[in-house]
Amino acid sequence: DAMVIQNPRYQVTQFGKPVTLSCSQTLNHNVMYWYQQKSSQAPKLLFHYYDKDFNNEADTPDNFQSRRPNTSFCFLDIRSPGLGDAAMYLCATSPHRGLEKLFFGSGTQLSVL
Amino acid sequence: DQQVKQNSPSLSVQEGRISILNCDYTNSMFDYFLWYKKYPAEGPTFLISISSIKDKNEDGRFTVFLNKSAKHLSLHIVPSQPGDSAVYFCAARHSGNTPLVFGKGTRLSVIA
Repeated sequence: DAMVIQNPRYQVTQFGKPVTLSCSQTLNHNVMYWYQQKSSQAPKLLFHYYDKDFNNEADTPDNFQSRRPNTSFCFLDIRSPGLGDAAMYLCATSPHRGLEKLFFGSGTQLSVL
Repeated sequence: DQQVKQNSPSLSVQEGRISILNCDYTNSMFDYFLWYKKYPAEGPTFLISISSIKDKNEDGRFTVFLNKSAKHLSLHIVPSQPGDSAVYFCAARHSGNTPLVFGKGTRLSVIA
């Protein structure tokens, strides 16, 4: 089945230790998104790629970076995780930007010790 | 500044009855609205959507109503089933390749 896969399901890192979360998709969608969701909060868009075109949200901290080496994979790098970065990170895809639904992965729950 | 608000964190409904989940928005530029459903340990999945040119969209047991003047939409599930127990997110966007803005979600529990 075509899908969006996020690994790992749970990630534990230490304060200040760089961490990378990964997302892959078999849908061949042009757009990939990273959302951050803290407990009982709305998912918040961090950035998205439209093909190779990177689009950062204005309020996304510099601590968060992303890479998309090819259509199928997208990575979220947190350079120096703080305690406030503990959250669920959701990857999503869509065929194009615009009035279309998103397809989400199961998410990676990040804990920072 | 929450542009999409789901003011009820949780809702309990008896099996077979109607579930009504509410969503309010503040941005009058929004013209497309979606509902997503999320089970534990899974990502959100698309449920139903509505364009601002309509005031109702129906898909089986799920109906979304849009009241543009009140900046309010609601999701009706009838009849409710235990398998509908999940967190429901309201989301909105306006035209021009803008990203979705989500509400905080409402946890629906359907009691058998």
